[in-house]
Amino acid sequence: QMQLVQSGPEVKKPGTSVKVSCKASGFTFGNSVMQWVRQARGQRLEWIGWIVVGSDNPKYAQKFQERVTITRDMSTSTAYMEISSLRSEDTAVYYCATSNYFDRYDSWGQGTLVTVSS
Amino acid sequence: DIVMTQAPDSLAVSLGERATINCKSSQSVLYSSNNKNYLAWYQQKPGQPPKLLIYWASTRESGVPDRFSGSGSGTDFTLTISRLQAEDVAVYFCHQYYVIPQTFGQGTKVEIK
Repeated sequence: QMQLVQSGPEVKKPGTSVKVSCKASGFTFGNSVMQWVRQARGQRLEWIGWIVVGSDNPKYAQKFQERVTITRDMSTSTAYMEISSLRSEDTAVYYCATSNYFDRYDSWGQGTLVTVSS
Repeated sequence: DIVMTQAPDSLAVSLGERATINCKSSQSVLYSSNNKNYLAWYQQKPGQPPKLLIYWASTRESGVPDRFSGSGSGTDFTLTISRLQAEDVAVYFCHQYYVIPQTFGQGTKVEIK
């Protein structure tokens, strides 16, 4: 079955970067779109961006355009989301999810808690 | 950006009774070329990732109990749980995947009365 396994929790200082991984199995990674969203405590889900895996074409929400990089490694069926210049407001659970192009999210990773604190 | 607004924020329903959650989008998510509404519903329990329930506004995901149903078109949508079970206690939220940035409702917390 479709499965996405994310890397473990991170604690980072303001101004630094974090890179979260998402390893896919049970489906054809190259035919998918890997989505990244985040959920701060008590807040609604917020879309960060996606990567069309086959064409290696990322797209970002304007809010994150300057600070986020989404990549993928076809050899390991893994997607990555890196966010730089971290601030306390970036403290959240970060999720990867898989979909087709402009489609629902079929499967989600378990989430990665990123805590930004001095 | 399309703003997704759910109502109510929370509701308490007796076991076996109906729960109804509404979701309104600030712009239509109906694509006229294929007559599909780009709207999904998810269930999220504490400490877990969201789980897909409904997509294209009314198509139930495989394995989802038939007490869950979705309806609506354009800008107004509804998720109905026909006979609430204890395991349905969760937060439910809608999601538009019609345009970028994709956006989500604020969530509706469903509890047992």
